[in-house]
Amino acid sequence: QKEVEQDPGPLSVPEGAIVSLNCTYSNSAFQYFMWYRQYSRKGPELLMYTYSSGNKEDGRFTAQVDKSSKYISLFIRDSQPSDSATYLCASFSGGYQKVTFGTGTKLQVIP
Amino acid sequence: GAVVSQHPSRVICKSGTSVKIECRSLDFQATTMFWYRQFPKQSLMLMATSNEGSKATYEQGVEKDKFLINHASLTLSTLTVTSAHPEDSSFYICSATTTGEGKNIQYFGAGTRLSVL
Repeated sequence: QKEVEQDPGPLSVPEGAIVSLNCTYSNSAFQYFMWYRQYSRKGPELLMYTYSSGNKEDGRFTAQVDKSSKYISLFIRDSQPSDSATYLCASFSGGYQKVTFGTGTKLQVIP
Repeated sequence: GAVVSQHPSRVICKSGTSVKIECRSLDFQATTMFWYRQFPKQSLMLMATSNEGSKATYEQGVEKDKFLINHASLTLSTLTVTSAHPEDSSFYICSATTTGEGKNIQYFGAGTRLSVL
């Protein structure tokens, strides 16, 4: 079992829709949770990171962590065609411990 | 946010040649940089962790003599693919951690696409 599991998609939504991207993890020691966006043939771009459980909002993006169920979510409101990319979740336990990445979910927002 | 520059973005080379990829943190000091390899439609595979002033730590299965890493300063790490072969063709991405964060939040370069003919 992979430490971080992510549905690879692809996920297609119409422009303006609310998108929900999810990951599950198995390592109870994970404390930090990140979401990266990766456009085709580019390096990942850090969108958000959260510590422990709870929500964090930044513009149209909301990251949510539920440690009791080991579930990580990223919500995108009013999705735009420019949001079309692969979204990677990632986690680590703290300090400079190794980061574990999900395989990424490919999102396509259709105009 | 923190900016990481990676150069070159694209390399095409003949089999048997060596290729050097540079990774620079532009607006912060990075005591630790990471090198990843990514195959199409797959996630990032950590190759090695590079610490300034010390030898890199390689992940299991990664040949250290094949993938030479030099972390010469707090803002520069290089990956050299020695005697490259077609099977080394891949997308190589570096990342860096800011010392000020106190934790492993990684910022990535744009990646280098290596094609070995």
